Amino acid sequence: KQEVTQIPAALSVPEGENLVLNCSFTDSAIYNLQWFRQDPGKGLTSLLLIQSSQREQTSGRLNASLDKSSGRSTLYIAASQPGDSATYLCAVRLDPTSGTYKYIFGTGTRLKVLA
Amino acid sequence: GAVVSQHPSWVICKSGTSVKIECRSLDFQATTMFWYRQFPKQSLMLMATSNEGSKATYEQGVEKDKFLINHASLTLSTLTVTSAHPEDSSFYICSAQGGVHQPQHFGDGTRLSIL
Repeated sequence: KQEVTQIPAALSVPEGENLVLNCSFTDSAIYNLQWFRQDPGKGLTSLLLIQSSQREQTSGRLNASLDKSSGRSTLYIAASQPGDSATYLCAVRLDPTSGTYKYIFGTGTRLKVLA
Repeated sequence: GAVVSQHPSWVICKSGTSVKIECRSLDFQATTMFWYRQFPKQSLMLMATSNEGSKATYEQGVEKDKFLINHASLTLSTLTVTSAHPEDSSFYICSAQGGVHQPQHFGDGTRLSIL
């Protein structure tokens, strides 16, 4: 059974710092991995999608890497800003050959960037 | 692009009432829609996957007679919580996907409170 864990659960940093959020999954047979941002009481905003054949994706100050064999992904945020404060969730999509292609979500990292 | 609209955003109703939540993809055709439930400070738990024109696939432990899902068109899926009780109070979020290789796009969620 696929399980997705995110470390740390919460993080507080001063503005301007570079930071890394971690996501680990127990079964390497994934189709893709997606990072999301969730603001309080809101839905999810997609940040980056990495296909299983890819190693990383970049968008602005965000960079996500994927090491499928070790079951790990990291989200790197450069020069953090107070507006980056939110909960960050990673989700792995199961390999369709398993009979399903649903997403399994991680436990999330609550980030607070202090001005 | 890729906007998903979810309605209503907030609903309060009496125990025993049935509540319908709509999820619409505004600018793309969603072959698959997903319904999630999220308790406070917890991650998203998939309730069901629905493909246009076919019956929804429910996750283990989710009562399909209580949570009715209809995906009648490529732009609309509905979730009806039948005979709702206080324990059904939660944050319900839908997502839509334009194809197997496409990312999920999420609605803003519906906060359901049953008195």
